[in-house]
Amino acid sequence: DAGVIQSPRHEVTEMGQEVTLRCKPISGHDYLFWYRQTMMRGLELLIYFNNNVPIDDSGMPEDRFSAKMPNASFSTLKIQPSEPRDSAVYFCASSPFQGAGEKLFFGSGTQLSVL
Amino acid sequence: GIQVEQSPPDLILQEGANSTLRCNFSDSVNNLQWFHQNPWGQLINLFYIPSGTKQNGRLSATTVATERYSLLYISSSQTTDSGVYFCAVGGSGNTGKLIFGQGTTLQVKP
Repeated sequence: DAGVIQSPRHEVTEMGQEVTLRCKPISGHDYLFWYRQTMMRGLELLIYFNNNVPIDDSGMPEDRFSAKMPNASFSTLKIQPSEPRDSAVYFCASSPFQGAGEKLFFGSGTQLSVL
Repeated sequence: GIQVEQSPPDLILQEGANSTLRCNFSDSVNNLQWFHQNPWGQLINLFYIPSGTKQNGRLSATTVATERYSLLYISSSQTTDSGVYFCAVGGSGNTGKLIFGQGTTLQVKP
């Protein structure tokens, strides 16, 4: 399996622009997670899905952030409008079934820089 | 929510040395995982270990759930072990939410 695939690997944009991050989870995994990593706050869970349904979005920082999972093989995280404080590495991760204690697998991340 | 504290924050070793990393958590958990983030930023899952002991090559982990801590042992360290080690926990009732500690940054010198 190719693992969790994220795109783009790097994104540089200007404040106010819309940013869309993409993720393809491992085939057969029921859970998909979006995390953000910064030096100040470490790894934070933004939102997660179970069988394409958002379960917990309490970590989404504000209304500028939105996430969708239209099918089992694709998810997006959108920031509109972007701000410099959104600069971070955004990770997508998937897991086959958390309730059974399956491991969480991460993608390579998207390095976002908002100028 | 659950608090996760890792120690030490930083660790420098000579190649071949052994080390123990600790993860304390503030409440009962039904999920605990250890991750290694390499210098290129990739997060690799090392162990799923909410209780008991597991070993994988030079790495082993032990979780004592009743005392709310987990230990990651690295034996005969190699330069490729360098990076940040994270502990992540999920509490009872939460089927997917993992809370990450701040990590231990390990540097192994040749």
